[in-house]
Amino acid sequence: EADIYQTPRYLVIGTGKKITLECSQTMGHDKMYWYQQDPGMELHLIHYSYGVNSTEKGDLSSESTVSRIRTEHFPLTLESARPSHTSQYLCASSDSMAPEKLFFGSGTQLSVL
Amino acid sequence: KQEVTQIPAALSVPEGENLVLNCSFTDSAIYNLQWFRQDPGKGLTSLLLIQSSQREQTSGRLNASLDKSSGRSTLYIAASQPGDSATYLCAVGGANSKLTFGKGITLSVRP
Repeated sequence: EADIYQTPRYLVIGTGKKITLECSQTMGHDKMYWYQQDPGMELHLIHYSYGVNSTEKGDLSSESTVSRIRTEHFPLTLESARPSHTSQYLCASSDSMAPEKLFFGSGTQLSVL
Repeated sequence: KQEVTQIPAALSVPEGENLVLNCSFTDSAIYNLQWFRQDPGKGLTSLLLIQSSQREQTSGRLNASLDKSSGRSTLYIAASQPGDSATYLCAVGGANSKLTFGKGITLSVRP
C-alpha cells in the first residue's frame, strides 16, 4: 500500500482565505506531483517537482504555488481562495528508477464559498 | 497535444460478465500506458502498466492490451464482481514522465 498522505481530506472555506494543502510521502521518492480533478473530468497536472528545491508548473495553469524544501513534503498553497478553485486536488509521487509508476494520495476536496 | 478518450462514460453490467473497457489516444508517440482504478472520494491505484514496446499485461482477472499504431488500448475484466465497481482511468505517458488522462469510465457491476 502506498505511503502518501494528504491533509485535510475535506476543506470548506470562505473566499479570500489563504490555504495550504499538505502532501507527504514516506517512500523516499524524488518526484512529486499535484493534479487537479473536477467531477467527471480528466486529471490535470498543475505542479511537479523532480527533487528538493525543484518545482515546475504543469500543463494546466493554476494560481496555486508549491514548495519542495524536504524530499518527503510537497505542500500546495493558495494565497487567496476563490470559488473557481473548488475542486479535488490529488498528490502523487514516483521514483526515478520507475518514474511512470505513480502512487496517489487520497486527495483533498476543496470547496470555496 | 495528446488527447485521451474513454467511451462510454458509464457502464452497468450484471455480475459474472466479461467486459472490455476502451481507451483511444491521438498521438502514437507514447512511452507507456497505464490503467488506474479510482474509488469514490479516493485517490488512484495503478492496475496495469504497459511499456511502449509491449503489447499486453496481465494481473489476475485483468488484461490490458496496447496497439500504438492505431492509438488504442483495452482493459479486459474477466468474470466481473460487484467489488470491481469503480471508475477506471486510462493514462498515456509522454516525455518527462508526464501523464495525460482520460475522463474515465464509471463501472457498476450489479449483483
